[in-house]
Amino acid sequence: QKEVEQNSGPLSVPEGAIASLNCTYSDRGSQSFFWYRQYSGKSPELIMFIYSNGDKEDGRFTAQLNKASQYVSLLIRDSQPSDSATYLCAVMGFFGNEKLTFGTGTRLTIIP
Amino acid sequence: EAGVTQFPSHSVIEKGQTVTLRCDPISGHDNLYWYRRVMGKEIKFLLHFVKESKQDESGMPNNRFLAERTGGTYSTLKVQPAELEDSGVYFCASSPLAGDYNEQFFGPGTRLTVL
Repeated sequence: QKEVEQNSGPLSVPEGAIASLNCTYSDRGSQSFFWYRQYSGKSPELIMFIYSNGDKEDGRFTAQLNKASQYVSLLIRDSQPSDSATYLCAVMGFFGNEKLTFGTGTRLTIIP
Repeated sequence: EAGVTQFPSHSVIEKGQTVTLRCDPISGHDNLYWYRRVMGKEIKFLLHFVKESKQDESGMPNNRFLAERTGGTYSTLKVQPAELEDSGVYFCASSPLAGDYNEQFFGPGTRLTVL
């Protein structure tokens, strides 16, 4: 079993719709959860992080965390063509300032 | 403020040769990480420096890989001798030692191709 699992996609969503990206993790000791966006050939860019159970909203993005189910998700509302990218779920352990463990990423395409 | 920079952006070498990758972190960032993405796989951790000290090198695949961070500024990752399976994109990331959260800032990566 992989430590961090994501659907590889591709996931296609019409412009203006909600894109839903999911991630599960195996280490119950994980404390910090990150969503990175990566455009082709570019560096991963942090778009959301979450530490506590529940929802966290930032503009069109909402991260959801359920530690009991070891599940974290990212919702993108009012999807735009510029949201087309690979979204990487990453997990950090208990102490912080540690390595990130990544999923393989979900490729998202927003259809105009 | 300049971001994390990496050099070279691309490197094509033959099996058995040596390659050295360089990473310049964001100024003032004491944490420096190396990661690697092999085609079709997830980004995987290689090594973590705190200043000039190796904090965690559990991800280094074997002794053909040598990472250094002299003076706690830039870092180099040397592969000697390179093998075919070393091909991939090598990312460097940095973060401050004491931040509000643990965001790691990534560089653009070095794409290494071993022929």
